[in-house]
Amino acid sequence: DSGVTQTPKHLITATGQRVTLRCSPRSGDLSVYWYQQSLDQGLQFLIQYYNGEERAKGNILERFSAQQFPDLHSELNLSSLELGDSALYFCASSTRTSTDTQYFGPGTRLTVL
Amino acid sequence: QQQVKQSPQSLIVQKGGISIINCAYENTAFDYFPWYQQFPGKGPALLIAIRPDVSEKKEGRFTISFNKSAKQFSLHIMDSQPGDSATYFCAASGGGGFKTIFGAGTRLFVKA
Repeated sequence: DSGVTQTPKHLITATGQRVTLRCSPRSGDLSVYWYQQSLDQGLQFLIQYYNGEERAKGNILERFSAQQFPDLHSELNLSSLELGDSALYFCASSTRTSTDTQYFGPGTRLTVL
Repeated sequence: QQQVKQSPQSLIVQKGGISIINCAYENTAFDYFPWYQQFPGKGPALLIAIRPDVSEKKEGRFTISFNKSAKQFSLHIMDSQPGDSATYFCAASGGGGFKTIFGAGTRLFVKA
């Protein structure tokens, strides 16, 4: 158990819908990272927050947004969903920066029908 | 500049053999190179990591070899076991930034 929790574990929705994925980092970790993993794309870095502020952006679509709240939990919002958004979404946390060990949560499997 | 190239895509090794996975990076500003292990249905977990001030790091059966001039690093799994069957990702990060760039992953299967 990494100490990072993600909810929900599975999510099935339809095209055009909006969903919110939630992540609680390990106790004491200030950085939260979001990754997308699909079969043919490996692990794609989406976005990182540090202590409530956005610090780095990867290949995150404009239809996706994220935030980190004062209690350090984070939410990833996916809107206008398309079939191609079906993937595993992982949250990870670390003490401060990306050169600290990142601890991954169990993931949320999103299926868009 | 931001890519990390990983090979092979898949690997089959006999029990007791050596598994070798290679990665190459482009951005010389990277200063942290972790390897992650992922089992089906689970999130990746840190296996071992190295910084560029050393050329090799060993932890049990797992060794990272690092070649700064060639901008390459590799994971060696000695005495490979069926329980090592998983997907392995190399990654690179640092240089003052906050991104971690992952390789495409290697599916390792160790035959009993």
